[in-house]
Formats: sequence, structure tokens, C-alpha cells
Amino acid sequence: GAVVSQHPSRVICKSGTSVKIECRSLDFQATTMFWYRQFPKQSLMLMATSNEGSKATYEQGVEKDKFLINHASLTLSTLTVTSAHPEDSSFYICSARRRGQGYNSPLHFGNGTRLTVT
Amino acid sequence: DAKTTQPTSMDCAEGRAANLPCNHSTISGNEYVYWYRQIHSQGPQYIIHGLKNNETNEMASLIITEDRKSSTLILPHATLRDTAVYYCIVNPSSNTGKLIFGQGTTLQVKP
Repeated sequence: GAVVSQHPSRVICKSGTSVKIECRSLDFQATTMFWYRQFPKQSLMLMATSNEGSKATYEQGVEKDKFLINHASLTLSTLTVTSAHPEDSSFYICSARRRGQGYNSPLHFGNGTRLTVT
Repeated sequence: DAKTTQPTSMDCAEGRAANLPCNHSTISGNEYVYWYRQIHSQGPQYIIHGLKNNETNEMASLIITEDRKSSTLILPHATLRDTAVYYCIVNPSSNTGKLIFGQGTTLQVKP
């Protein structure tokens, strides 16, 4: 159990366009999801915490108007990269915690979305 | 928030135990130690976590020192598929439950 699915797994877009990435918890409900970004040969960097039914909380230095997060249901969070530029090319990964479990319970991660902006 | 220190890289022979160390000397009493791994171009995979006692599951064992300032992840019989970056993370003391990743240890299992 505890499967997190991301879609798409890979996307190529042109500079200036917007891209939406979906993160779904397939077999559990998640009140909280987290979005990370990972550049080549680097570790994961937390971008934001997505809470179902409320506004996302962004980490310092992450532009909330550029990275729009929507967590409209207990099984779906979306990340939209608006007006994408080549420097936004990265590996975006989401994770989710099972509803009802405490803050110390493990996170379950999706398999990531490789975004390439040309 | 407690920080962790891990060696940058390690090698292990296939079939042997892989022992991955982690220092977390500033850990506070209610913070858990988590281990995740990331195989190339995939999302991180949860391995194990613990607070004070040693833990074991089907993937690995976690040994936490009595003073909780360090821990060791043990993969009892490493295979080539265990080659990955292993992250030791201490759950931040805030109540958000978010995990902050460090640089991890790149484990190379060799035939």
C-alpha cells in the first residue's frame, strides 16, 4: 500500500509556457503533500507543503506565484510551473503522508517528473 | 532542527552487509531518525525509522546509539540493486512533519 503516482513522468515545454504536474495518492488519503525539486547531482530541495483545502506553505526563496500549488482533494495535489524558463528544468518530486497518521509517520514519494524547458 | 552528517560515498561487496553511518549529535528527544534511499532517476524510497530502540524490517536494520547522537543503517546482504543514495534524516521538531534532505551517502555495491 501507500502508492503515490506522478503524472507526467517526463515533459518538455517551450520557454514561457506553463506546465502542470499531478501528484496522486492511489490507495490512501493524504491531507498533506510535499513538493521537492532536485537538480542534477544534488539532493532534494523542499519547495512547499500542500495542505488539502488550504493554501500551500512555501519554503523561503520559492516563488509562490511561479509555482502554483493546488490541493483540492485528499488524493490529488498539483504543481503548476508558470511561465517556465530553462532554469526551471529539474526533477520535481511529490510526497504524501497518510491521513490520520502523525507527523512522525513516513512520507511516501512519487517517482518524479522530469521537466525540460527549451 | 537537527542536522545529520553522512560520508559522501561508500563501497560494499555484493552479498556482504552494508553499514551506513549517520551522525546527528544535535538531535532532540522527540525527533525520529529516518532513512530513505534514492535509486537513480526515481523518487526516494522509505526504508526505516526509529526513535530510541533498534528497529528491523524486511529491508534493513537501524541501530541507534544510546545517546542517540548517531545511528547505523544495516543492509544485511547487499545486492547490486541496493546501489543508491542513502539519506539519513532527522524529523524536524516543528509540527509540520516535513523532511529536509541532506546530501546523503552514495552506496556502490560491487560484484
